[in-house]
Amino acid sequence: QKEVEQNSGPLSVPEGAIASLNCTYSDRGSQSFFWYRQYSGKSPELIMSIYSNGDKEDGRFTAQLNKASQYVSLLIRDSQPSDSATYLCAVLMFSGGYNKLIFGAGTRLAVHP
Amino acid sequence: ETGVTQTPRHLVMGMTNKKSLKCEQHLGHNAMYWYKQSAKKPLELMFVYNFKEQTENNSVPSRFSPECPNSSHLFLHLHTLQPEDSALYLCASSQDRGGLTRNYEQYFGPGTRLTVT
Repeated sequence: QKEVEQNSGPLSVPEGAIASLNCTYSDRGSQSFFWYRQYSGKSPELIMSIYSNGDKEDGRFTAQLNKASQYVSLLIRDSQPSDSATYLCAVLMFSGGYNKLIFGAGTRLAVHP
Repeated sequence: ETGVTQTPRHLVMGMTNKKSLKCEQHLGHNAMYWYKQSAKKPLELMFVYNFKEQTENNSVPSRFSPECPNSSHLFLHLHTLQPEDSALYLCASSQDRGGLTRNYEQYFGPGTRLTVT
């Protein structure tokens, strides 16, 4: 079983709709979760972090965490064509005395006008 | 300069060449990372350095040799690479306070697009 799993997509949504991106993880002890956005040919950009169960909102982005079910999601409201990118879910793992991020393979989002 | 910088941004090298990738972080972080991202594959963590000490080497071939002279600089020395090593090489940094933490953010540099011919 992969440590962090995401649907590869592409997820296609019309402009103005809500895009919902999901991620599941295997380590029940994980405490910190992140969403990165990566445009084609560019490096990943941190857009959200979440540490507690529930919702965390930042502008058009809402991250949701459910530790009991071991899933994290990212909602993008009023999707714009500029939101078209690959979204990477990452889970923080502490092992061997240091922290590192475990990344999912990413979900490609396409927002069409 | 701000954030994490990487040079060069693009590199084309032959299989017999030796080259180095450079990364510098201006965030005051204590941990630095090298990742490899091949086309249509997930990010692969290659090396981790905490306080200049290498703490992870993810079974990376010896033709990749990292160097971390201080907590702000990270190098990846390349020699006798193979065409399958062509990829985007990403450097990242974070402030690792040790233990499970709720205050951790990792930032990436722009990457070096490497092509091995």
